Amino acid sequence: DVKVTQSSRYLVKRTGEKVFLECVQDMDHENMFWYRQDPGLGLRLIYFSYDVKMKEKGDIPEGYSVSREKKERFSLILESASTNQTSMYLCASSRRRPLTGELFFGEGSRLTVL
Amino acid sequence: RKEVEQDPGPFNVPEGATVAFNCTYSNSASQSFFWYRQDCRKEPKLLMSVYSSGNEDGRFTAQLNRASQYISLLIRDSKLSDSATYLCVVIRSNDYKLSFGAGTTVTVRA
Repeated sequence: DVKVTQSSRYLVKRTGEKVFLECVQDMDHENMFWYRQDPGLGLRLIYFSYDVKMKEKGDIPEGYSVSREKKERFSLILESASTNQTSMYLCASSRRRPLTGELFFGEGSRLTVL
Repeated sequence: RKEVEQDPGPFNVPEGATVAFNCTYSNSASQSFFWYRQDCRKEPKLLMSVYSSGNEDGRFTAQLNRASQYISLLIRDSKLSDSATYLCVVIRSNDYKLSFGAGTTVTVRA
């Protein structure tokens, strides 16, 4: 069974703290994505990666960075967390080609920044 | 204007009813279309692709109207287990970017 695993389901952090969200997939997928999901706004793409050490900005990259040192792992970093980064963060992976539209999502990490 | 827009609902329907809703997209270069389902407090999962000629998967029917730039999802004989948020996904042909709608919530009551 395919699996995307996110390291933490729930986190509570304070403003200014550095936050790491880890994601691991076991499907040998080339593409990995980080989204945030907020009520009424849907899923918004933060960053994606189509290969090891490659990264591309999504629609809302400000305040975030990512790291992909290994194919199976894609990390999202909040250098200095702010309250407007309180959200549900979803990691996903997919094959590069063909782009079938099927993304496999992790269960999500709900981050609260106080 | 958002690239993909959906009526947020909620659509509250009795068991056995038919419910249908649309998703509009603004970019005419969009080439591929999908419906995802997201249960409460769960991750989204692919429900079905949407083909140009329309397609069915059991009680679910998806259609594409390129001229008016919308896709639709129809659920027949609704079950309690169909209660979920349905997300529309559009892929652009030029850069293969995926865009998600904010979702339509369907609640099926006994």
